[in-house]
Amino acid sequence: QQQVKQSPQSLIVQKGGIPIINCAYENTAFDYFPWYQQFPGKGPALLIAIRPDVSEKKEGRFTISFNKSAKQFSLHIMDSQPGDSATYFCAASMRAQKLVFGQGTRLTINP
Amino acid sequence: GAVVSQHPSWVICKSGTSVKIECRSLDFQATTMFWYRQFPKQSLMLMATSNEGSKATYEQGVEKDKFLINHASLTLSTLTVTSAHPEDSSFYICSATRFRTSGYYEQYFGPGTRLTVT
Repeated sequence: QQQVKQSPQSLIVQKGGIPIINCAYENTAFDYFPWYQQFPGKGPALLIAIRPDVSEKKEGRFTISFNKSAKQFSLHIMDSQPGDSATYFCAASMRAQKLVFGQGTRLTINP
Repeated sequence: GAVVSQHPSWVICKSGTSVKIECRSLDFQATTMFWYRQFPKQSLMLMATSNEGSKATYEQGVEKDKFLINHASLTLSTLTVTSAHPEDSSFYICSATRFRTSGYYEQYFGPGTRLTVT
């Protein structure tokens, strides 16, 4: 009930392509869904977040799509660059702030 | 953006000794801070929730006597690994929550501390 399932585990995309990372959750009480980007040896950085009353949110090249009925949300990276190569984590929380993380996706953007 | 610092960034200690890691929110006040542990190529594992002025709440399976957490002010939380053993070697990351006008809390992470116990 508390889990967030993330897929794929790893993803390789050519430069300029649009990698898509998917997450699914069970707990309908979750009301905040952030995405984090983590480079090796660094802490995660908040990329973008969405609330369930919105179906899509875009910030720069990053877009979250949210499907409340399916209990799924996804991250799209437009015009991907080699510098976007990192591990991406989706997460979910209720107003109590404690985040439940997905398993992570290791993204590689080939030049 | 919100900045969270951690000190030290890496530390090597001998088995049986204690190590203290500091987590600071530099440009905002954080009523709640979290401590995570991350193993290579794995997700973040929440260890404990730290609220300013009160005792930390530990996740199931985390030894509270081994991982001492103190949240002395709205900008500082510390994690002390007591009587460290090689199996405590890991990447420890803190985070701090910032309340936004939207009514939600955003969680910002520190850069992490690499602990190696020899």
